[in-house]
Amino acid sequence: GQQVMQIPQYQHVQEGEDFTTYCNSSTTLSNIQWYKQRPGGHPVFLIQLVKSGEVKKQKRLTFQFGEAKKNSSLHITATQTTDVGTYFCAGRAAGNKLTFGGGTRVLVKP
Amino acid sequence: NAGVTQTPKFQVLKTGQSMTLQCAQDMNHEYMSWYRQDPGMGLRLIHYSVGAGITDQGEVPNGYNVSRSTTEDFPLRLLSAAPSQTSVYFCASSYHPGAGNTEAFFGQGTRLTVV
Repeated sequence: GQQVMQIPQYQHVQEGEDFTTYCNSSTTLSNIQWYKQRPGGHPVFLIQLVKSGEVKKQKRLTFQFGEAKKNSSLHITATQTTDVGTYFCAGRAAGNKLTFGGGTRVLVKP
Repeated sequence: NAGVTQTPKFQVLKTGQSMTLQCAQDMNHEYMSWYRQDPGMGLRLIHYSVGAGITDQGEVPNGYNVSRSTTEDFPLRLLSAAPSQTSVYFCASSYHPGAGNTEAFFGQGTRLTVV
């Protein structure tokens, strides 16, 4: 079945630094979504990418969808303590299932 | 707007007991799903539904049943609880996967412990 992998599993970042988390699917996706989950909370939608090679920005967050629509990345610049949490990618292939990656847990050192 | 409401928030069960986790949404979403979240495992899909009367299995369906008699409600039944089902359960809803915007809205979660 469809698998979605995320790396790294953990990311320790100094406040002010940049980092990137990567998402790879075993199958071609119709779209990919990104979610953020704060500790003790529930996942909250950040963005959806649909087109091959699409790039979208939300303030300090940049999301990219690969040309083959099998991978995606999230780049955060100038990390802040408010960026703490787990970031998930979720991919939808030809069927209806939305499959989540294992997440990247981000810890920020002030 | 309540969004997605899950009950209960916390539950402790004994091995072998059955129970139903409730999920309701008021956004007229066609698509609803149940996930379980275990440490280091991300969110794993249990069951999902694309509309009333239609359900399908996800990655980890064993030990769980669902039904979708109305658009609003999507209960998850644990038939005979086992310690391996100790987890945090999330219900989510969205417009149909064929729609342009398929943002998933999650409930607050149910923390289930099976002893």
